Amino acid sequence: AQSVTQLDSQVPVFEEAPVELRCNYSSSVSVYLFWYVQYPNQGLQLLLKYLSGSTLVESINGFEAEFNKSQTSFHLRKPSVHISDTAEYFCAVARSNYQLIWGAGTKLIIKP
Amino acid sequence: NAGVMQNPRHLVRRRGQEARLRCSPMKGHSHVYWYRQLPEEGLKFMVYLQKENIIDESGMPKERFSAEFPKEGPSILRIQQVVRGDSAAYFCASSPGTEKTYEQYFGPGTRLTVT
Repeated sequence: AQSVTQLDSQVPVFEEAPVELRCNYSSSVSVYLFWYVQYPNQGLQLLLKYLSGSTLVESINGFEAEFNKSQTSFHLRKPSVHISDTAEYFCAVARSNYQLIWGAGTKLIIKP
Repeated sequence: NAGVMQNPRHLVRRRGQEARLRCSPMKGHSHVYWYRQLPEEGLKFMVYLQKENIIDESGMPKERFSAEFPKEGPSILRIQQVVRGDSAAYFCASSPGTEKTYEQYFGPGTRLTVT
């Protein structure tokens, strides 16, 4: 069975510092991988996705994630965070065409 | 271009009452998914519907829960005789068609509190 592990429930980081949010998955088949962001009191928004091709994918607001098949990881990174990045970030893997399997989420806390 | 809409945003019910959660998908989307998020947990898939059809309800509890997506109107997730353990955030998502059904757009959620 597929599963997604986000080891860190919270990641505090100073503003303008780099950050990495970790995501590991288990799957014996090809997967599609996603990062979603949930701002306070809002729904989830798709941040970026890996479907195929280049293993490094980027979002429009400076985040990037790298698919590493040998380590079964899809960590999310940003070189310099802003206070507006405060949110909860969820990693997900597509189990089938539609059924997403979710990690427990990581709260990104930006310290001024 | 309105996104996925859910109402109510917050719902309080006493034990034993019924809860009805509504979801209007994005314009042009014919596929709807319901997820439940318990505190400190990720989302759990509940059900996948197309218009007038339940495609996959493998994540739905066998009793008290039902979902529909009628030809006209929003999708409804119905919980009968609610219990405290039903307290959670319920998210609806939609996608445009059978291609790329993993590209789902989410609503803001309904936070159900059972007292």
